[in-house]
Amino acid sequence: DAKTTQPPSMDCAEGRAANLPCNHSTISGNEYVYWYRQIHSQGPQYIIHGLKNNETNEMASLIITEDRKSSTLILPHATLRDTAVYYCIVRDNFGNEKLTFGTGTRLTIIP
Amino acid sequence: EPEVTQTPSHQVTQMGQEVILRCVPISNHLYFYWYRQILGQKVEFLVSFYNNEISEKSEIFDDQFSVERPDGSNFTLKIRSTKLEDSAMYFCARAGTTRDSPLHFGNGTRLTVT
Repeated sequence: DAKTTQPPSMDCAEGRAANLPCNHSTISGNEYVYWYRQIHSQGPQYIIHGLKNNETNEMASLIITEDRKSSTLILPHATLRDTAVYYCIVRDNFGNEKLTFGTGTRLTIIP
Repeated sequence: EPEVTQTPSHQVTQMGQEVILRCVPISNHLYFYWYRQILGQKVEFLVSFYNNEISEKSEIFDDQFSVERPDGSNFTLKIRSTKLEDSAMYFCARAGTTRDSPLHFGNGTRLTVT
């Protein structure tokens, strides 16, 4: 049911940029792309979201391709605390719809 | 810091007992959600609640479950007669009123049914 495809796992060296890809080839015009992460068994943490323009906040950058069929979450300088499962979620925004979580990407930051 | 406070952080109960999980959003928002995560599995949607009514529920949210916002602040999830398979982390989330308002989750209640 998830509308996105992510690699199951990735490693990144501490201090380097972590680039997490996501495919959402069936995305429709009114759907946003959201990124969340879950550290251990804590609640999912909101990171960033976007519709078609690239977005940046204090946590990360979101790059969405022009055709909107894929996106990349960038953590510019990964730290050990960024080790988590990262979820890319496509969400219809007609009425504060629920989020549907997939299995995400398990990102491990290596010292 | 979570923008939603959940209590208790851990609840142990015997099979067949009723449990009430509580969620206290810090800000005054209208949209609330409950999710659960069984150990090692995906985060699953249970129910969404808007303007004091259920707006959507999943197949998991059967007659054993109910939600309410009794005092206009706390948002509760009640499981009437717990089963072993209800053991999971339960997460509450809230969202603002703009179309693309993200959900913000609490840190969850770990429910253990023995």
